[in-house]
Amino acid sequence: SAVISQKPSRDICQRGTSLTIQCQVDSQVTMMFWYRQQPGQSLTLIATANQGSEATYESGFVIDKFPISRPNLTFSTLTVSNMSPEDSSIYLCSVGPTTAGETQYFGPGTRLLVL
Amino acid sequence: DQQVKQNSPSLSVQEGRISILNCDYTNSMFDYFLWYKKYPAEGPTFLISISSIKDKNEDGRFTVFLNKSAKHLSLHIVPSQPGDSAVYFCAASEPGSARQLTFGSGTQLTVLP
Repeated sequence: SAVISQKPSRDICQRGTSLTIQCQVDSQVTMMFWYRQQPGQSLTLIATANQGSEATYESGFVIDKFPISRPNLTFSTLTVSNMSPEDSSIYLCSVGPTTAGETQYFGPGTRLLVL
Repeated sequence: DQQVKQNSPSLSVQEGRISILNCDYTNSMFDYFLWYKKYPAEGPTFLISISSIKDKNEDGRFTVFLNKSAKHLSLHIVPSQPGDSAVYFCAASEPGSARQLTFGSGTQLTVLP
């Protein structure tokens, strides 16, 4: 299994500011995913990040709000831009399989509170 | 439209008894199903998975059953332990170049000592 770390683990931010979340994996992976878990809700996929190409965003999420970088096979960042209190969530990165029978592993998450 | 549903937001069981968590899905293209456990302030931890070509998979105290005709899967934990208290998510994926997971809403399991 992959070991995934995220920075920061938590943060409290002011409305209108931006926060960049880092995700580091201990091995090279093709697919990385970013999820959001709003309070009391399930995990919702924000985007899929492949190295060397633009991220693919899910319905309801746009690049201007959640720009993603994927500079190499072990690292990715997610920026939450122009934050509002509705962005208060846990943000999780994961590394995923490309075939059935493999498992997607998650980082510990970044707990964000926007005031 | 929720493609993966966990209709029980919470479940309480006595220590030593069986815990049964249920999950229903609507997308017939799903061919791989997973269960994750999540503690507060931690990321989801993979528990067990099952491919659509099987109807049962067992790993220690955890067994997942899949009923494809009913589009239903369940996770059995026997015997339940207080350390099992957590939120359990079922998730599903379908064939494709990127196997994104679609998650259910989660079930809070509380195992009472």
